[in-house]
Amino acid sequence: DVKVTQSSRYLVKRTGEKVFLECVQDMDHENMFWYRQDPGLGLRLIYFSYDVKMKEKGDIPEGYSVSREKKERFSLILESASTNQTSMYLCASSRSGRIHTQYFGPGTRLTVL
Amino acid sequence: AQSVTQPDIHITVSEGASLELRCNYSYGATPYLFWYVQSPGQGLQLLLKYFSGDTLVQGIKGFEAEFKRSQSSFNLRKPSVHWSDAAEYFCAVGVKNRDDKIIFGKGTRLHILP
Repeated sequence: DVKVTQSSRYLVKRTGEKVFLECVQDMDHENMFWYRQDPGLGLRLIYFSYDVKMKEKGDIPEGYSVSREKKERFSLILESASTNQTSMYLCASSRSGRIHTQYFGPGTRLTVL
Repeated sequence: AQSVTQPDIHITVSEGASLELRCNYSYGATPYLFWYVQSPGQGLQLLLKYFSGDTLVQGIKGFEAEFKRSQSSFNLRKPSVHWSDAAEYFCAVGVKNRDDKIIFGKGTRLHILP
């Protein structure tokens, strides 16, 4: 079974703090994704990565950056957290080469005060 | 541009009743289609997917979905719902270009009456 884990289920940070959200997958997937989920807006893609050290902007990259130093790990970074980044953050991974099922982690509920 | 529409934000059904959740997509070619379920406080779990072949797809937990090209639809069905089916359901379409991205609908929240 594919397993995608996220470092925290719940996180509370203050405005202006630098925040790291970590995601690890154990299935040797090439692709990894970061989404944020807000009520009424569904899932919105922040960043994705097709390979180590590769990254592509999604639909809402502003205020975020990512890092992929190892194939199994994909980090989302909020350089200076703001209250409008309070949200549920979901990480996913998939095989590459064509459209494949994305497997999701349990999510991190981030609150920025 | 590709898009996915789930017309119903909330649906309420009685336990034991049948269920149909609607999904329409906009895409020029044959799509890759998915249904995911999200229980409260959890990540998304794949229910079923359609890539090609038989247009009636069986999934986990007794769910099925039918791809209808003429209607650009991929509706999810279950003949008899259980209280544990209360969750949010997301339809998604895979975009076949150089990216391996999936576009998600905004979701339908299912409520079950005892």
